Formats: sequence, C-alpha cells, structure tokens
Amino acid sequence: DQQVKQNSPSLSVQEGRISILNCDYTNSMFDYFLWYKKYPAEGPTFLISISSIKDKNEDGRFTVFLNKSAKHLSLHIVPSQPGDSAVYFCAASTTFSSGSARQLTFGSGTQLTVLP
Amino acid sequence: GAVVSQHPSWVICKSGTSVKIECRSLDFQATTMFWYRQFPKQSLMLMATSNEGSKATYEQGVEKDKFLINHASLTLSTLTVTSAHPEDSSFYICSASRPLEQPQHFGDGTRLSIL
Repeated sequence: DQQVKQNSPSLSVQEGRISILNCDYTNSMFDYFLWYKKYPAEGPTFLISISSIKDKNEDGRFTVFLNKSAKHLSLHIVPSQPGDSAVYFCAASTTFSSGSARQLTFGSGTQLTVLP
Repeated sequence: GAVVSQHPSWVICKSGTSVKIECRSLDFQATTMFWYRQFPKQSLMLMATSNEGSKATYEQGVEKDKFLINHASLTLSTLTVTSAHPEDSSFYICSASRPLEQPQHFGDGTRLSIL
C-alpha cells in the first residue's frame, strides 16, 4: 500500500509559467513533508520542506502548500526554468522513535520538463 | 558543497562477487544513516536504517544476510551486497541528517551492475 502517491508521472510546462506538482498521502501520522529534485544517476537534492503545523512555506521560486484535511501537498515553481527539468519526489516522515532521525517515505516521482 | 559522500559511484562485477558501498557524512556525525534502493523509473525504497554501534534495522522483505550493513563510526556506514546476482543490479543511495536537524541529505548513489 503506497502511503505517499504522486499520481502524475510527468508534467510539461512552458518556460516562465507555473509548475504545480501534486502529492497525496494516506498516513495521518506523517508530520513533516519534503520535496526533492533528482537528476539521473545522482542522489536526490533537497528543495523545500513543510511541517504539519504550517500550511505554506516559501523559498524563492518554490512554494509548498499543505492541506492536512485533504492529506494533500503541492509544490509550486514560478517562474519555471529549463534547468528545473528533473524528477521531483515528494517525501513524508514521522518522528523517529529516538527523535534523532526520521525515516522518509517517498512518492513515485514526477518528471518535470520545462520547455524553452 | 556535498554533505554526504558515497563511493563508488559505479560498479560492474561478476555474479557471485560481494560488493561494498561506503557512505560518509562529511562535516557532521551521523548516528543514523539510511540506505535506499531505486529501480529504473521507480521510487526510492528504504532498505534499512543504519545505527552507529548497533545492528541495522531492516525493512520488511530485505534480506539481512544479503545486504550487510556496518555503521562502525559516526561518519561511516557501509552496505555490502553479498554474493551479488543480476537481480541485485540497481541504484543504491544512502542518506544522513545532521543530529536533530532536517532534512536528510543524500549521497550521489551507486549504480551496481551484476553481469
């Protein structure tokens, strides 16, 4: 059973427009959510995160929105740039029992292509 | 700069060989590191949690005797794929986070190809 779902395997947008990537989760115990960007043959790179006590977090061109009642989060990239083309993974976590580290559960990823 | 270093980045070897992959935290001590596996065009699947000074915690379905994890120091965890077979070919990635901080930082991964 997938606890974190990214239902769109791919998304294409025009340069300068907004990219919206979506993610749904089922485990109500998740209290921290992250977005990672990944290029082929590389490890994921952290982009932005949000705690469950917030509903929005913004960092430059990237904004993450969290709707706890709907168990849904989204990543907005505006304006989109060709360099943003990559696979974007949504991840969720709960507090590890020791409080020192958190296991991440990943979605299946969305390939974003920004067209020049 | 890089926070987590993983080595080697690519391994090609014969079936039956054992392969060791290293994961290092570069400027912090990591009591916990995580090992993931990714198949082509699929998500990252957590294999195990590596705990410094104690046994690793494996996820359901991951063979402990096949994937040996050693976390002997606060900056180094190793994953050894024992007696590797072609079905073990995959992309293996480790991660670590600074103590009491988020987020997890990932190594660049190891592409393992078993012939």
